[in-house]
Amino acid sequence: GQQLNQSPQSMFIQEGEDVSMNCTSSSIFNTWLWYKQDPGEGPVLLIALYKAGELTSNGRLTAQFGITRKDSFLNISASIPSDVGIYFCAGRIQGAQKLVFGQGTRLTINP
Amino acid sequence: DADVTQTPRNRITKTGKRIMLECSQTKGHDRMYWYRQDPGLGLRLIYYSFDVKDINKGEISDGYSVSRQAQAKFSLSLESAIPNQTALYFCATQGGVQTNNEQFFGPGTRLTVL
Repeated sequence: GQQLNQSPQSMFIQEGEDVSMNCTSSSIFNTWLWYKQDPGEGPVLLIALYKAGELTSNGRLTAQFGITRKDSFLNISASIPSDVGIYFCAGRIQGAQKLVFGQGTRLTINP
Repeated sequence: DADVTQTPRNRITKTGKRIMLECSQTKGHDRMYWYRQDPGLGLRLIYYSFDVKDINKGEISDGYSVSRQAQAKFSLSLESAIPNQTALYFCATQGGVQTNNEQFFGPGTRLTVL
């Protein structure tokens, strides 16, 4: 079953606003990944996190590996129209081989 | 050229038909995966393969089968398609330690079963 809870499920914002989304789990993770999916395309990796407390940026995107190792956050600053899409968190539970995925956050930006 | 390719990109078929979705990669990765995506459910793992001789069921393997013909090719089959298999299907590859075990996705196949 689903082991990751991602929120919010959808966001409607104005261009220029900042965005925050997160994923939580009852399990301990040793890897957190954040992907973006554009319409009609496969998910593309944005940021990868490997250590508890790690804070990593990729342009206007910043993601953090929670200290408890059970959560992760993604922030987008000063949103622009091309940020529209579905954002997925994914993680690897400690001791497991496979990734588990969140349900996705659909981001819509009003110009 | 794309590193992970999927064919076909779109397919409409009828209930009971046999369908094969194909995935090829030029990344040289040993590990390959098949996922399906449904609205609000994220990505769910159907099957995965860690090398040519290794096939494993994922969380939703019923109604599907796979074949790993070579390191670069991993195909997904629906032996007798049914309407609730209508979904977006993604293939993914995963490298080893040198790529921090990250997964790379193909562009997807949109399958509609009537």
